[in-house]
Amino acid sequence: QKEVEQDPGPLSVPEGAIVSLNCTYSNSAFQYFMWYRQYSRKGPELLMYTYSSGNKEDGRFTAQVDKSSKYISLFIRDSQPSDSATYLCAMKGTGRRALTFGSGTRLQVQP
Amino acid sequence: EAQVTQNPRYLITVTGKKLTVTCSQNMNHEYMSWYRQDPGLGLRQIYYSMNVEVTDKGDVPEGYKVSRKEKRNFPLILESPSPNQTSLYFCASSLGGGAGTDTQYFGPGTRLTVL
Repeated sequence: QKEVEQDPGPLSVPEGAIVSLNCTYSNSAFQYFMWYRQYSRKGPELLMYTYSSGNKEDGRFTAQVDKSSKYISLFIRDSQPSDSATYLCAMKGTGRRALTFGSGTRLQVQP
Repeated sequence: EAQVTQNPRYLITVTGKKLTVTCSQNMNHEYMSWYRQDPGLGLRQIYYSMNVEVTDKGDVPEGYKVSRKEKRNFPLILESPSPNQTSLYFCASSLGGGAGTDTQYFGPGTRLTVL
């Protein structure tokens, strides 16, 4: 079983929809939770991060972490065609040097 | 402009022919790493380096070598490539390990095909 599970999609939504992207994980030592966005033929770029449990909002994006359920989410409000990309969750424990990535969810926002 | 560069961007080679993928960063970052990205498997770390002359294995190091002789450069070496190393490779750098506010910057990727 993978440490981090993420539905690969593709997820197709109309412009303006609310998008929910999720990851589950099994390692209770994870403390840092990140979301990366990867456009086609580009490297991933950091979108948001959260430390431990809770919510964090940045413009149209909200990241949520529920450590009791080992579940993290990224919500995108008022989705735009420019949001079409692959979204990767990533996690890290305090002692572990490497990030553990999910396999990514491909999102398509239709105009 | 802060960036991580990789070369080449695309490479087709044959089994057993040694190759090197270069990586360079201009942000004076201590930490650099190499990942491979495969469908359904996500990004998996191959090797990382905490500083000059300090390297360590990631999750999938078999068949790869790295070196860190200068802070800005972190080349990935495949001494005898095999078809199962066909993948998309990313170099990344950060101040520390790339968690929280310590943003990990990724290069544009190198698509390698081993025939």
